[in-house]
Amino acid sequence: AQKVTQAQTEISVVEKEDVTLDCVYETRDTTYYLFWYKQPPSGELVFLIRRNSFDEQNEISGRYSWNFQKSTSSFNFTITASQVVDSAVYFCALRLAYSGAGSYQLTFGKGTKLSVIP
Amino acid sequence: DAGITQSPRHKVTETGTPVTLRCHQTENHRYMYWYRQDPGHGLRLIHYSYGVKDTDKGEVSDGYSVSRSKTEDFLLTLESATSSQTSVYFCAISGGTAIDEKLFFGSGTQLSVL
Repeated sequence: AQKVTQAQTEISVVEKEDVTLDCVYETRDTTYYLFWYKQPPSGELVFLIRRNSFDEQNEISGRYSWNFQKSTSSFNFTITASQVVDSAVYFCALRLAYSGAGSYQLTFGKGTKLSVIP
Repeated sequence: DAGITQSPRHKVTETGTPVTLRCHQTENHRYMYWYRQDPGHGLRLIHYSYGVKDTDKGEVSDGYSVSRSKTEDFLLTLESATSSQTSVYFCAISGGTAIDEKLFFGSGTQLSVL
């Protein structure tokens, strides 16, 4: 069975600081997909990124960047120059890539609550 | 935004009563899911559906049943609610047309069982 671990339960940073959210996953499958979702205080879940296991290139989107390292089974998320609007709970998730029923299930980590202090 | 509507948005009920939560989608997506979110546990899958009348259990299915008689509706039923089922319930959908399809989530239902 697969597992996603987000060891940081809560993080507080001062605005404009950089912050990295850690995600470590476990799976025996060689093909899988990794996701990050954001849950702001309003409660909805917002998709941020997906990455497949064959693509280890890092990705940058504005102030957000993701570092995927297959060798350490990690998919870390960095926010550069954090802002108060970044305050949210962030979830890392894993999905296996097979074609059977339920193959689109996501296994979530427990989430990291980020508080950005003005 | 994906067209997903969960109802009700908030529900307070008493232990032992039946409760049904509804998820309605307008995207014609094949896959639908029910997750529950609890502090310290993240999101955990309750049940999912991969087509009309095709459902299966997730990680925390005990005490829950589901039904999907139409593509657009996925119902979650607590036959006899317990306090441990107090949670926020999220419905999610995915199209299944791409192997890396992401899930879209509804706004959630806050359920309190007293």
